[in-house]
Order: sequence, then C-alpha cells, then structure tokens
Amino acid sequence: AQSVTQLDSQVPVFEEAPVELRCNYSSSVSVYLFWYVQYPNQGLQLLLKYLSGSTLVESINGFEAEFNKSQTSFHLRKPSVHISDTAEYFCAVSDRNAGNMLTFGGGTRLMVKP
Amino acid sequence: KAGVTQTPRYLIKTRGQQVTLSCSPISGHRSVSWYQQTPGQGLQFLFEYFSETQRNKGNFPGRFSGRQFSNSRSEMNVSTLELGDSALYLCASGRGYNEQFFGPGTRLTVL
Repeated sequence: AQSVTQLDSQVPVFEEAPVELRCNYSSSVSVYLFWYVQYPNQGLQLLLKYLSGSTLVESINGFEAEFNKSQTSFHLRKPSVHISDTAEYFCAVSDRNAGNMLTFGGGTRLMVKP
Repeated sequence: KAGVTQTPRYLIKTRGQQVTLSCSPISGHRSVSWYQQTPGQGLQFLFEYFSETQRNKGNFPGRFSGRQFSNSRSEMNVSTLELGDSALYLCASGRGYNEQFFGPGTRLTVL
C-alpha cells in the first residue's frame, strides 16, 4: 500500500516570491510520482512527473520537483510565483507495475497575494 | 485532440436513487479511471478499466460499479445514493502507466 503526505494544507506567499510545496510518500514498491494542479471548478491538470532518469523534473511554466529516494520526497518548487499560480496542488504516486491507480495527498492550497 | 469529456457536468439526486455518470476518454486511450473528490476525504480512487476489464479497484462499497465499452467509453453507477456520496467525480484516461488526463468532473449532489 502507498500513502502520500502533503505537509502543508495552505501556503500563502507574495507574488514574485519563491515557494516550496512539500510532499512525502510511503511505498513498499517502486513508484511513479506526479504533481497535479486544480483550478477552481475544474479537473486536474498534470504539472510534472517523475518516471525514471534525472531526479529533477521541470514543467513548462517554471515549476520543478526533485525526487529524493532516500527521503521519499518529491517537493515542488518555483523560484518566483505569479497570481495565476493560485490553485490547489496535489502530489500523487502510482505503483510502477499496477496500472493507473493514483494515490493522492491531501492537497496544498497555494494562495499568491499581490 | 479533444480532451476527456464527462456528462453530465452537474447532477442533483435524492437519497435512495441511483445515478449513472459517463466518461469519454481521449481518442486512442484504453485506460479509464474514476476518482471521487470530497472536502473531507480528498481524492480517492474508485476503479480503473482497461480494454473493457476492471484492472484495479479502490476501497468503495459494492454500490459503486463501473464498466467500459468496446470504444473505451466508460460509465460508473452508484445505486441507493447516500448523502455522503455527494462529491465531484473525476474520470481520467491514459495510454500507458505513466500519465493520465483528467476530465472536468461531474458534480453530484445528493439531497
């Protein structure tokens, strides 16, 4: 079984400041790791994913996440946030060998203030 | 390429009724998964279908069921609705194991 913990339920931050959203996971098997973003009244959009290879993965809109196997973490970072980044962010894992069953963390609401 | 579509987008039912939700995956995607999202429990996996077969199942009672058709479209059914079934139901489609695309969801309200 897997579990995902997002350590902060809400993160307020001023525009243009850096941000880190924390994610830790627990699993007895090898996993894929994901970050999804959800804007109000919408579904989930994939932000970035770690499948294998380089432990640092980047998205097209400036977010990055680093897979740390020893600490079982996959924290999401952005060096300078915009108002438009205000949304809920979900970290998720899936078993590499068991289909598309995603286990999600509880979510972190990122609130960017002007 | 069209995204994942879900119908209806909003639904209001009363306790004891049953409901069927529909999901059309992205063309070429054979995997369809369903998730329930509530403020209290967060995002929880319901089930996954691949080529018309249930491949994974979450920890939900038997009132929740699903199926997938030969064109990969999927439906989920909830019988004997309870107040706690009020949620956003999300469908996701994918090709392999490593990426899923989510639809906008169906907002179900049980009165």
